[in-house]
Amino acid sequence: NAGVTQTPKFQVLKTGQSMTLQCAQDMNHEYMSWYRQDPGMGLRLIHYSVGAGITDQGEVPNGYNVSRSTTEDFPLRLLSAAPSQTSVYFCASSYSVLGHRANYGYTFGSGTRLTVV
Amino acid sequence: QQPVQSPQAVILREGEDAVINCSSSKALYSVHWYRQKHGEAPVFLMILLKGGEQKGHEKISASFNEKKQQSSLYLTASQLSYSGTYFCGTGSGNTGKLIFGQGTTLQVKP
Repeated sequence: NAGVTQTPKFQVLKTGQSMTLQCAQDMNHEYMSWYRQDPGMGLRLIHYSVGAGITDQGEVPNGYNVSRSTTEDFPLRLLSAAPSQTSVYFCASSYSVLGHRANYGYTFGSGTRLTVV
Repeated sequence: QQPVQSPQAVILREGEDAVINCSSSKALYSVHWYRQKHGEAPVFLMILLKGGEQKGHEKISASFNEKKQQSSLYLTASQLSYSGTYFCGTGSGNTGKLIFGQGTTLQVKP
């Protein structure tokens, strides 16, 4: 049981390049989300999903795309990287609250530190 | 709308108590609390689903006042291991959408 796995752990991109941050979970969680963390800004929601085939925008979705073709995977695509996207990116997953009504919160991956130059 | 946490930072001595508050301008369905150590991922502490519900986790407990759209995290007899940044996350329905506050940095000194 690996939990939430994010790859890569570190990445340097040039402005204008595109890339995909990978996220996979093996806990059969319905919910998955992507957050970015910048100093003093807390965790800001980029996109989230309540199940395979269903995604929605969060607080800061511009410049990012997601898809969820399986329950396990939720990749985040940067379309054309900009220096403002330099950040630490966290993927997180959870059981749906109503489905389990238990003390289940989000399990976070270890993060991807992205630098755009 | 991002929930507002207060205070922004707290410095304690071991054994002292602390309260961290989280308030929202929107109606809340749930409130989550997480702790993040420097350089690590946030770790789930507890979730509160009902108005006025209180939960505990060792010497850490929380309350949720649904009517006031507020939650408070109580840390009693703090230990060095409690140091870190605490985040509240608010959910407005069964959508999986969790919005976090800006965080409260807690430092416990010997």
